[in-house]
Amino acid sequence: QLHLQESGPGLVKSSETLSLTCTVSGGSISDSSYYWGWVRQPPGKGLEWIGCIYYTGSAHYNPSLKSRLTISVDTSKKQFSLKLRSVTAADTAVYYCAREDSSASRDYWGQGTLVTVSS
Amino acid sequence: QSVLTQPPSVSAAPGQKATISCSGSSSNIWSNYVSWYQQLPGTAPKLLIYDNNKRPSGIPDRFSGSKSGTSATLGITGLQTGDEADYYCGTWDTSLSAGVFGGGTKLTVL
Repeated sequence: QLHLQESGPGLVKSSETLSLTCTVSGGSISDSSYYWGWVRQPPGKGLEWIGCIYYTGSAHYNPSLKSRLTISVDTSKKQFSLKLRSVTAADTAVYYCAREDSSASRDYWGQGTLVTVSS
Repeated sequence: QSVLTQPPSVSAAPGQKATISCSGSSSNIWSNYVSWYQQLPGTAPKLLIYDNNKRPSGIPDRFSGSKSGTSATLGITGLQTGDEADYYCGTWDTSLSAGVFGGGTKLTVL
């Protein structure tokens, strides 16, 4: 059974960089059928797609975040990561990692991790 | 503003049917597959429907999906109190080259 687990600081200071890692277990991160993605949800609000990456390193980003965002993958560690620079309070959210197929459906999700941006 | 439009709330009685709509455009719903997610309070979203109308293993056939043109619909029959949750539609937007979600619909089973 595939399992995804987010890890990283729960508190980030305004203007600094938010960094999260998702560790994949129970399956291959190099499976050519899937992308590995990030979705966030501000408190009390809806889902926002952040971006996704293929095991080769090819990535797609949300246009509204692209200038501040880097998603990377480390197949040897079965991990993919998110770095969001110059954060503000608007970046406070629960961040989920998920497995995403070619039709953009996400069948496996991490439990989510709350990241709070403080001033 | 979400790229896909969903009604903020839908309600129906136990045992009845609820439908949730998702409206988009030619660059997203019309030209790509739609998926639907259920999110219970405090939990991660769960995939209910993929590729417009397919159910993952373990999802009961009370849940169904359809797509027509630039709109998609989630149907839930035989409503149970445990179906009370937020529901989201999602797809790919070819123009944005990005994933997109609807704003979510809160289902209340009265």
